[in-house]
Amino acid sequence: GQQVMQIPQYQHVQEGEDFTTYCNSSTTLSNIQWYKQRPGGHPVFLIQLVKSGEVKKQKRLTFQFGEAKKNSSLHITATQTTDVGTYFCAGAGYSTLTFGKGTMLLVSP
Amino acid sequence: NAGVTQTPKFQVLKTGQSMTLQCAQDMNHEYMSWYRQDPGMGLRLIHYSVGAGITDQGEVPNGYNVSRSTTEDFPLRLLSAAPSQTSVYFCASSSGWANEQFFGPGTRLTVL
Repeated sequence: GQQVMQIPQYQHVQEGEDFTTYCNSSTTLSNIQWYKQRPGGHPVFLIQLVKSGEVKKQKRLTFQFGEAKKNSSLHITATQTTDVGTYFCAGAGYSTLTFGKGTMLLVSP
Repeated sequence: NAGVTQTPKFQVLKTGQSMTLQCAQDMNHEYMSWYRQDPGMGLRLIHYSVGAGITDQGEVPNGYNVSRSTTEDFPLRLLSAAPSQTSVYFCASSSGWANEQFFGPGTRLTVL
């Protein structure tokens, strides 16, 4: 079945440093979605990418979808303590939406 | 709009007990799903429904039943609770399986 791998599993940064999480699918995707889950909270949708090579920005967050539509990345510039949480990618394959295991981001002030 | 609501927020069960986790949405979404979240395992799909009267199994369905008698409600039943079912359970709804998923606040379940 479809597998979605996400790395790293965990990252601890100092406030102001950049952060990137990567997502790779075993199959070509129709779209990829990113979610953020704050500690003790529930996943909240951030964005959806649909087109090959697509790049979208939300303030300090930059999302990319690979040319082959099998990989994606989320980059945060100049992290802030409010960025703490777990970031999940979710790949929409043939008939299923599969979540990666997430990257937990810890930001120290 | 309340969005997706789940009850209870917390529950402790003894092995062998049964219970129902409630989920409701007021967005008129056809697609609803249940996930469990365990440390280091991400979100794993238990069951899903593409509309009233239609349900199907996800990745980890064993030990769970679902039904969908209305568009709004999608309860998850644990038939005979086991310690391996200790987890956080999230219900989600969407206009389609490949679209933005709206998650409920979750139910934290402990089985002793």
